Amino acid sequence: GQNIDQPTEMTATEGAIVQINCTYQTSGFNGLFWYQQHAGEAPTFLSYNVLDGLEEKGRFSSFLSRSKGYSYLLLKELQMKDSASYLCAGMDSNYQLIWGAGTKLIIKP
Amino acid sequence: IAGITQAPTSQILAAGRRMTLRCTQDMRHNAMYWYRQDLGLGLRLIHYSNTAGTTGKGEVPDGYSVSRANTDDFPLTLASAVPSQTSVYFCASSAQGQGGDTQYFGPGTRLTVL
Repeated sequence: GQNIDQPTEMTATEGAIVQINCTYQTSGFNGLFWYQQHAGEAPTFLSYNVLDGLEEKGRFSSFLSRSKGYSYLLLKELQMKDSASYLCAGMDSNYQLIWGAGTKLIIKP
Repeated sequence: IAGITQAPTSQILAAGRRMTLRCTQDMRHNAMYWYRQDLGLGLRLIHYSNTAGTTGKGEVPDGYSVSRANTDDFPLTLASAVPSQTSVYFCASSAQGQGGDTQYFGPGTRLTVL
């Protein structure tokens, strides 16, 4: 079966660094996406990885290990506005996204 | 219009009633999708369309139907609503529906079936 696992909730402090992990199991693999979703809003695209390694984009970085079926999203210099849910999604062989339930990130001052 | 719009924003519906959720995009994307999002669950694909004139079933298609008469519009119809269809519905689109394609989401429709 296809499955995406990520922690339900994490708490971090403003200005700190947090790493959100995701493990995936998909039928075929065409990449791993991270989306951000603020409460009551639509998901918005953060990153896409299809090759192993780290992709850096400002304060946000995303890592992929295809052999381990593992990805993480790294958020640096946390700001209060980063309080949101972070959704991990794997793209399967049919180019469909399989979504995790999301990790709710709570930022404390 | 910029991006994807959905209507209505929210709706309360009596069980057994028919309802169409509207979705329009102006990005000339070929692929469009309907998801539902329920608390504690990931987004689940209901139906999709890779190009105008074609549609496909996702993970949870029962009780829903779609059509894709043109590139811009992708309505989702609940023929006879049931309480288990209470959810937040998101429409999304992507350029080609292929590897690496980013999906862009509409603002969502919050549907309550009583």
